Amino acid sequence: GQQLNQSPQSMFIQEGEDVSMNCTSSSIFNTWLWYKQEPGEGPVLLIALYKAGELTSNGRLTAQFGITRKDSFLNISASIPSDVGIYFCAGQKDSNYQLIWGAGTKLIIKP
Amino acid sequence: KAGVTQTPRYLIKTRGQQVTLSCSPISGHRSVSWYQQTPGQGLQFLFEYFSETQRNKGNFPGRFSGRQFSNSRSEMNVSTLELGDSALYLCASRVGEDTQYFGPGTRLTVL
Repeated sequence: GQQLNQSPQSMFIQEGEDVSMNCTSSSIFNTWLWYKQEPGEGPVLLIALYKAGELTSNGRLTAQFGITRKDSFLNISASIPSDVGIYFCAGQKDSNYQLIWGAGTKLIIKP
Repeated sequence: KAGVTQTPRYLIKTRGQQVTLSCSPISGHRSVSWYQQTPGQGLQFLFEYFSETQRNKGNFPGRFSGRQFSNSRSEMNVSTLELGDSALYLCASRVGEDTQYFGPGTRLTVL
């Protein structure tokens, strides 16, 4: 099925570093969502974006809805051990359409 | 308010068997979506039910089917299981145009 291009696939970082990941698509979306999934759990919503150019923060997390509506970015500042997990982006054309998902970015923090 | 619950959490079946998974949405949520998640593939949309009717369907073979009951609980059935059906099956619920909330998933292993 259709999928968003999410990169990087995985990241090995030191505690305290900033993290950046992004999702791109050839299609326009009206909603961009960022989820985090930890082992043995379902994805949990982190940030929802509804307007092109929108920049939204949730604690140390900041996400942006690209101005072209074809991409989105997630930044995590000053990473901590509990940030480990898989981060997924998802786009939605409108509320009647299913979410289209990226393949995920696995965040690993080096001891 | 209780979250989305899925039963069973783990399941082992053999090829050719069939399986039924259950999902209870958050109280008041009438939309239930099902996803298949395999390593490196992200989430693949199976189908969405709203008020006992299938509203959207992904690109999966007819062996995958679902239904929704009047209390919004949903079941997913996979017949004639194949090794490639081994995956984490996630259920998500939402109310109106709100974002989706996921359950912990059912890990299906086909031997």
